[in-house]
Order: sequence, then C-alpha cells, then structure tokens
Amino acid sequence: GESVGLHLPTLSVQEGDNSIINCAYSNSASDYFIWYKQESGKGPQFIIDIRSNMDKRQGQRVTVLLNKTVKHLSLQIAATQPGDSAVYFCAEVYNNNDMRFGAGTRLTVKP
Amino acid sequence: DSGVTQTPKHLITATGQRVTLRCSPRSGDLSVYWYQQSLDQGLQFLIQYYNGEERAKGNILERFSAQQFPDLHSELNLSSLELGDSALYFCASSSGKGNQPQHFGDGTRLSIL
Repeated sequence: GESVGLHLPTLSVQEGDNSIINCAYSNSASDYFIWYKQESGKGPQFIIDIRSNMDKRQGQRVTVLLNKTVKHLSLQIAATQPGDSAVYFCAEVYNNNDMRFGAGTRLTVKP
Repeated sequence: DSGVTQTPKHLITATGQRVTLRCSPRSGDLSVYWYQQSLDQGLQFLIQYYNGEERAKGNILERFSAQQFPDLHSELNLSSLELGDSALYFCASSSGKGNQPQHFGDGTRLSIL
C-alpha cells in the first residue's frame, strides 16, 4: 500500500469473518459505481460494479449495496481471507465518463 | 494480469525534465484512461481517449499531454517536471466509452529528484 494515502480509514477483521467496507459518494446524479481492490505495488483491480437502477448485486463472495437516498455504497466480503488484505476504493461515474474515486479503506485480515 | 501493460515500471529524473509514459491497453479495448496516484491526493483522473480521440479531461495540468495512436496504445507526456509530480501514474482501459469497468495496469512510479 505505499501508493495510497497515509491516513486511510482502516478495517481489521479476523480470517473467516465477514467484512463490510463503506463509501459515501458525492454526486446524486452518478449512475454507475465500481469497487476496486488495490494490493501493494499493483494497480487497482475490478471487483464488482452496480448501476443506479439496482440496489444490490452479488458476485463471488462479494456483495455491493447501493443506497441512493443517502448516497452510500457498501462492499461486503464473505468469509474474509488473508488474500483479501488490500486497499479498497469505491468509484462513482457521472455522465458516462466522469469517474471519481473515494480515498480508499485499508482492509487487514488477521489469521 | 489485467492485460494492460505500462512501461517503464520506474522512472527517476530531475526537475525541469520531460518524460514519456507508455500504455498498451487490453486487446480489443478502445478507451484508455490515465490517472495519477499520490500519497496526499489519492487516485486522480487525468484524461481519457477513445479510439484515438480525446473524450474526457480531468485534473490534468497544462504541462502534461497525452495521445492515443492508431494501434490504440497511448502515451502520457509530462514536461517541466516538478518535485510534486512524483507519483504513481496508472493507465486503464475499457472496451467502450464509459460506464464499464476499467482495467488497470500496474503503473509507472515516477520519482523527481
């Protein structure tokens, strides 16, 4: 994680527990949202996305929830594993190409 | 492996110099995006090209420019470099113009001495 901010929110969980990472977005007109995972020394990796006409979408071990009323996005990771340790970013897209990233949350998984 | 290739991985240069960062998008992707990631600013969108044409502009300085070539690879040119330009520069690609996942390369780390 040397490429991300020094004062990231952090979340520490026990291996096997579920993790919930939260994100508040800024633009009520944003219509597409993405979660990315960034491991140390690597670029952001796509995890899951959701469009504004949905409020929930599930992937493999991950679920994204969208609450447009309060402009809130969350990422749930089931049965968190040590390999899930990384910085997680949410991104909102407005007007088809204006993408803004959140500051990120550092997830640490304790064995 | 995202399929996006960035070169070089590391670049060390001095203030006032000019550098060129290169990106090859995933096969079939027409959009290329450039981002800057620094410790105090997070991921900042710089610019997007779609099929050779500039499509969107973000927080890109006038000292920076980019282009996308007919073979769809892209270059980001940074000139009159300042200490504050030290950062990770990421390229991402997607198949369409927007509202799709972007696939990121592993970045070029630029250090200005």
